[in-house]
Amino acid sequence: NAGVMQNPRHLVRRRGQEARLRCSPMKGHSHVYWYRQLPEEGLKFMVYLQKENIIDESGMPKERFSAEFPKEGPSILRIQQVVRGDSAAYFCASSPTGQGAYGYTFGSGTRLTVV
Amino acid sequence: QQQVKQSPQSLIVQKGGISIINCAYENTAFDYFPWYQQFPGKGPALLIAIRPDVSEKKEGRFTISFNKSAKQFSLHIMDSQPGDSATYFCAASKGSGAGSYQLTFGKGTKLSVIP
Repeated sequence: NAGVMQNPRHLVRRRGQEARLRCSPMKGHSHVYWYRQLPEEGLKFMVYLQKENIIDESGMPKERFSAEFPKEGPSILRIQQVVRGDSAAYFCASSPTGQGAYGYTFGSGTRLTVV
Repeated sequence: QQQVKQSPQSLIVQKGGISIINCAYENTAFDYFPWYQQFPGKGPALLIAIRPDVSEKKEGRFTISFNKSAKQFSLHIMDSQPGDSATYFCAASKGSGAGSYQLTFGKGTKLSVIP
């Protein structure tokens, strides 16, 4: 069991470029969550997805950020026109059900640096 | 509004000593309280978790103490080892129902265990 796979591990983007972060959940997990960790901060919930559905995007910034989890392939977190404040570690987690946070498994994250 | 407050921000303990990290929460709907351990460059990994129907849970050298009336919980690491040096996050979520999949994290405690 390969666990939750995130790539790339590190991503450097210039201001104004687009960043695409990918997450493949654990085998058998159909619920995916994205969290953002700013420096010296705890993780903050961004979005919860199931295959082809966004269940809760209450933690997503209203502009420039979007997420998807297509029928085939990994979940994608997309940040358009990145700014320096987007520099953070982005973690994906998956779980077998959407009831409770039990069974959460986190990936190793993508560290985004905007220069 | 930060719903889970964690202290201290950093902690230095001698090998063999006891490490104590405290958290306080505000939302009385929280029903699940996990602790996560994060090493540099890695994602958070579940260490131990508690539900409010018990006041203490022990797993090896790690113990969670829970005080429902005070809305506080703490992590105790007995016989601390250099390999325990990491950042520890407390978190909370609702046990079931709407939004139960969402974890609210404290800001983290950086633990350094010195030989």
